[in-house]
Formats: sequence, C-alpha cells, structure tokens
Amino acid sequence: LAKTTQPISMDSYEGQEVNITCSHNNIATNDYITWYQQFPSQGPRFIIQGYKTKVTNEVASLFIPADRKSSTLSLPRVSLSDTAVYYCLVGDPIMIYNQGGKLIFGQGTELSVKP
Amino acid sequence: NAGVTQTPKFQVLKTGQSMTLQCAQDMNHEYMSWYRQDPGMGLRLIHYSVGAGITDQGEVPNGYNVSRSTTEDFPLRLLSAAPSQTSVYFCATTDGKETQYFGPGTRLLVL
Repeated sequence: LAKTTQPISMDSYEGQEVNITCSHNNIATNDYITWYQQFPSQGPRFIIQGYKTKVTNEVASLFIPADRKSSTLSLPRVSLSDTAVYYCLVGDPIMIYNQGGKLIFGQGTELSVKP
Repeated sequence: NAGVTQTPKFQVLKTGQSMTLQCAQDMNHEYMSWYRQDPGMGLRLIHYSVGAGITDQGEVPNGYNVSRSTTEDFPLRLLSAAPSQTSVYFCATTDGKETQYFGPGTRLLVL
C-alpha cells in the first residue's frame, strides 16, 4: 500500500475553512484515497473517498490533482465539534476485500478547533 | 441495527492472564478485522478475516489469536497477556466497498 504523509497537527478557529493535505507519492493505478475522522474514545468514522478530481459530500470535499500524488481534505466552516484526528488512507478497495489486503492507518492529523 | 459492537469496554489484566475480546456485527459483512491503537502509532492491523472460516495475519499478530466461525462474530484472544498489549482495540467490518465501520473500542490495561 502507498505510504501517506500528513501534518501531525493543525490549529484552526470556528468558522474557518480547514484544508488538510496528504502526500502519497507511490499511489498505484487502482488505489483510492479515503479519509477517516476519529474522536477521542471512539472508533474511526468514514468521511469521504475519491479517485481523482473533486468529490463533495455533506461533510467535506476532497481535491485530488491529476498526478494523484497528493490529496486535500477540505472542511468548510469548522466548529468545535470538528476537533478530531483525521486519517488519510490509500489503497485498492477490491484488493483489500478479495485478496485480504490491508488498510494501513498512518499517524493522522490532529485538528484542534478553537473558539 | 447495532452495527459493530465490542465487549468489554474496559478491562484490566495481570501479566500472563488470558482473555477474549468480543466483536459482533449485524450488517452481514464478510470482511472483519482487528486493530490496536497506541499513542503516536496510529492504528495497526492485528488480524483480519475475509469470511467465516478464513483468517489471516496483519501487521502485528504476535500474541493474538482469532477465529471466525460465523459471519457475525470475530473474537480476539490474548493467550498470555503482556504489558506491551496495553492498548485500545478496535474491531471493524466492511462490505468490500468504500468504507470500514468501526466498533467503539475496548481499552485494555495489562499490569
């Protein structure tokens, strides 16, 4: 699986837009990019997944450039409740499921939202 | 629909004791996995299963055993607990599509 690199921590204020960038220089052709959110004392929760260009859902947007060697998770107008650790994962969902591949979580980015 | 449930929520063991962490899912997913989470280490895969009767090792399998006799249950066994196994353990399941669903976790302290 492609190794990912994210900032260890980020600070923001309520109402701001937060962009967290993840580097994955060795991403493979069949790999998707997935972001998870984890609150203290809870399991990770799926946020968004994409393959290329831009994906948007009710929670976030995911921007992926043409070379796919990085991706940016964008959280619009964060609130205090968005304080969490955000994980970027890269992998082939089909391989993970059918061939017993692994979802590898890196250290994640600890986002702290202040009033 | 409970999703993924884990028991117990918290456990204290003495070195050398054995115990089983329970994981159950009601989503009829074939794929289940166990992770441990330690400060500064992110989540690391211990064991996984792609269906009933099929299990395999992840990144850090030593000291842990698993079995998968039904689709719903995927217990994780510690045969002889060690302080290095103090961690938070998460069970997860997926239907093979885009997301994994995680349980609430079990906090284990080995003295």
